Amino acid sequence: KAGVTQTPRYLIKTRGQQVTLSCSPISGHRSVSWYQQTPGQGLQFLFEYFSETQRNKGNFPGRFSGRQFSNSRSEMNVSTLELGDSALYLCASSLVSGLSYNEQFFGPGTRLTVL
Amino acid sequence: AQKVTQAQTEISVVEKEDVTLDCVYETRDTTYYLFWYKQPPSGELVFLIRRNSFDEQNEISGRYSWNFQKSTSSFNFTITASQVVDSAVYFCALSEMSAGGFKTIFGAGTRLFVKA
Repeated sequence: KAGVTQTPRYLIKTRGQQVTLSCSPISGHRSVSWYQQTPGQGLQFLFEYFSETQRNKGNFPGRFSGRQFSNSRSEMNVSTLELGDSALYLCASSLVSGLSYNEQFFGPGTRLTVL
Repeated sequence: AQKVTQAQTEISVVEKEDVTLDCVYETRDTTYYLFWYKQPPSGELVFLIRRNSFDEQNEISGRYSWNFQKSTSSFNFTITASQVVDSAVYFCALSEMSAGGFKTIFGAGTRLFVKA
């Protein structure tokens, strides 16, 4: 079974631009979560999607948004980039069955650098 | 509110030593899940273990063992006879249901150096 894939792996943007990151979950996984990882703040939860619906959102400004498609693939978008948005963005998928929450499988991440 | 504390920022041991990584969590929910993940230098997070709040049994998997104690809100991770390949950042995480979905909070991580 293929793992979680994220594209692109590396991205360099300038302040004020916008960026879209893509994540393909493991086949059959309908829950997709996004995290931002930085040396200073660690791993911070951005949002979780399940069946095309955002179920939870972390404490990030509205410039951070996402969506999930009917095939469970997900994208996240960051508009009006700031220097502080430079980070490793991780996507994770999970098999959710009923009210039970299973482990997350992480992709390799997208390294975003904002100049 | 959810919170995960990994008080040990960095630990350095010599190969074959045992090492315990501490994790203390806070939650108001009675149903929650605890996880440990490993992030080796290559960067990809790897799942190690999952525990739900109703299962306080300790677990051993090879050189790895986990001690879950609800009374102290702790979920500690011990590596026995550490090896150089164990060098990585280890994250403890807490997931609880929120607004119909799950929200996961990670601790700050503990960087483990195992020297040959």
